[in-house]
Parts: sequence; structure tokens; C-alpha cells
Amino acid sequence: QSALTQPRSVSGSPGQSVTISCTGTSSDVGAYDYVSWNQQHPGKAPKLLIFDVSRRPSGVPDRFSASKSGNTASLTISGLQAEDEADYYCCSYTGTYTWVFGGGTKLTVL
Amino acid sequence: EEQLLESGGGLAQPGGSLRLSCSASGFTFSTYGVSWVRQAPGKGLEWVSGISGDGRTTSYAGSVRGRFTISRDNSKNTLFLQMSSLRAEDTAMYYCAKSLFGGLISWGQGALVTVSS
Repeated sequence: QSALTQPRSVSGSPGQSVTISCTGTSSDVGAYDYVSWNQQHPGKAPKLLIFDVSRRPSGVPDRFSASKSGNTASLTISGLQAEDEADYYCCSYTGTYTWVFGGGTKLTVL
Repeated sequence: EEQLLESGGGLAQPGGSLRLSCSASGFTFSTYGVSWVRQAPGKGLEWVSGISGDGRTTSYAGSVRGRFTISRDNSKNTLFLQMSSLRAEDTAMYYCAKSLFGGLISWGQGALVTVSS
């Protein structure tokens, strides 16, 4: 199972919006509406931001939104804040209690 | 509050074995699948293994299949990962995570495994 494809890095200024893409195949992202996004700050454990393609867990600001089209999922962060600077990982279910992650995207807030 | 706490990490020699544990609290452990995810130093997340709530279904990444075994004891709310034939490339922080099909919902703080002679 190959990793999902994400850009290595993205950047934006405070208040702007950025979008991170996540490209898979018809066996993972395209096969299930089970894409999630995780945020990880340096030295910390990952934290779930989005599950089931576009649902936010309680406590996650609505500045974080996500969608999916075909084999590509996207995470959009609006109104960038300094604390959004982190690594972001997409993840897709691939069947039979198996998941695959993207390679991760480093977000820099300029 | 949901909590997952990993233990059992440490230093192992190449070819050696190590057993990780993950103690869960704050949710009905037996009704959820659970996964192990690892992160090598400076690298991204890699899903390693998953198990269904009743323990009957298990899955593994190709990189560990045949060397790692996932199991759980629902009477003790504990998840395990038995790692054998360890290699240098298994060096990583290992996280356990409560898993729904739609995402890995809750994460532990991780256990560091170092494979070196």
C-alpha cells in the first residue's frame, strides 16, 4: 500500500487561507468516504482534525474544513493563525481494519 | 476523558523482540477497533497494524507483516504489539490510536522504540 500524496510544504500569512491536497487511488481515497486529517505539532502526538471526509470533532474550530472529489481529498484552513503552524497528515481507510497515511505537509505561517 | 497510555518501549538489539502495551480508559474499549501507528525520527506517520473490537480481525502493513503481532485483552482494556526480528528501520515512536473507519480518533502520547546494537 503506497502512501497518499501530499505537498511537502505550504505557507500563508496570518488571516489568509491555505489548502492542502491529498491524492490517493480508487482503492483508498476514491473507494471510501473515510478520509481524515491529523495535525501534529513538533514533539507532540497527532491530533484528529477531520474525520469521515468533512466532519469536525468537538472542539476543532470551523476554520478547518475538508472535502473530497474522486481520488483527491483537500483540507482548507481559513483565517490562518500562528498556532496553525504544524505538520498535517491525511489518512484513508483501505478496508479490513487497514489505513494509509499521506507523507505529511508542513504548514508555515509567514 | 478518553486516554490511551503506551508502555514497553526501549532499546532492543537487531533481531531482538519487544512488547508494547497500550492501556485505554474513558471509553468502552471492547466496542472499538484500535491501531498502532509509528513515526521514525524526522519522518511521517506510518500505519502499522489494526485490530477489531472483538479481536477477531487483524491487519498489518507490509513492512511488519510476519514479524509483528497485534492483540488485545478487553477484560483489561489493553492493546498489545509483539515485535520480533526487529530491524534498525523499526526505530520509531509508536502510538496507539482508537480507530473508527473514518479516522483515528484518539491518540496516546507514544512509546519510543530504538533498535540498535
